[in-house]
Amino acid sequence: SQELEQSPQSLIVQEGKNLTINCTSSKTLYGLYWYKQKYGEGLIFLMMLQKGGEEKSHEKITAKLDEKKQQSSLHITASQPSHAGIYLCGADKQNYNNAGNMLTFGGGTRLMVKP
Amino acid sequence: NAGVTQTPKFQVLKTGQSMTLQCAQDMNHEYMSWYRQDPGMGLRLIHYSVGAGITDQGEVPNGYNVSRSTTEDFPLRLLSAAPSQTSVYFCASSSTSGGHPYNEQFFGPGTRLTVL
Repeated sequence: SQELEQSPQSLIVQEGKNLTINCTSSKTLYGLYWYKQKYGEGLIFLMMLQKGGEEKSHEKITAKLDEKKQQSSLHITASQPSHAGIYLCGADKQNYNNAGNMLTFGGGTRLMVKP
Repeated sequence: NAGVTQTPKFQVLKTGQSMTLQCAQDMNHEYMSWYRQDPGMGLRLIHYSVGAGITDQGEVPNGYNVSRSTTEDFPLRLLSAAPSQTSVYFCASSSTSGGHPYNEQFFGPGTRLTVL
């Protein structure tokens, strides 16, 4: 079973609306990453969160990691068609012989933005 | 820099055939890894390498072999393809610059493999 649960699995919003995607783990998250994948393409790095309570923003996208480091959220303000794609959260797997950067991923959230 | 490159972009195999997916990076990254992406499953780690000459298994290693003879290249071999290996394969690399363990992973564009 997956260690990271993303919700919702899919989302359709009207252009201009705000939305939130969640990523939840039963274990402490180390190095929580958010990626965006356009349909049929590779992954684009969005943000990385490490510290409990940390929040980062880039343009209209804000990501937060809760104090317990078990849940992260990705919030998009005033969504645009260019925001459409699959959003994936990934977390560093600590048990791979202490090899950082080996990620486990959530199942992804498919976002469609209707013009 | 070309970043992470993967070849081929698309491949169709028959059951039992073998092939190698190529991955190369020109960023002098120590870490390289292979993931497969299946619908609703996110990405799952197949094999990874923390440096030339060192490889180890990820979550779903069965049916795949890897080697890391150089820092730049990390090929993934399918010895006897099976329909269950139909997937999109991504190669990624990252560095340990400054000793920081949590650095961005750079992903290649992916290889779409179909096994009939």
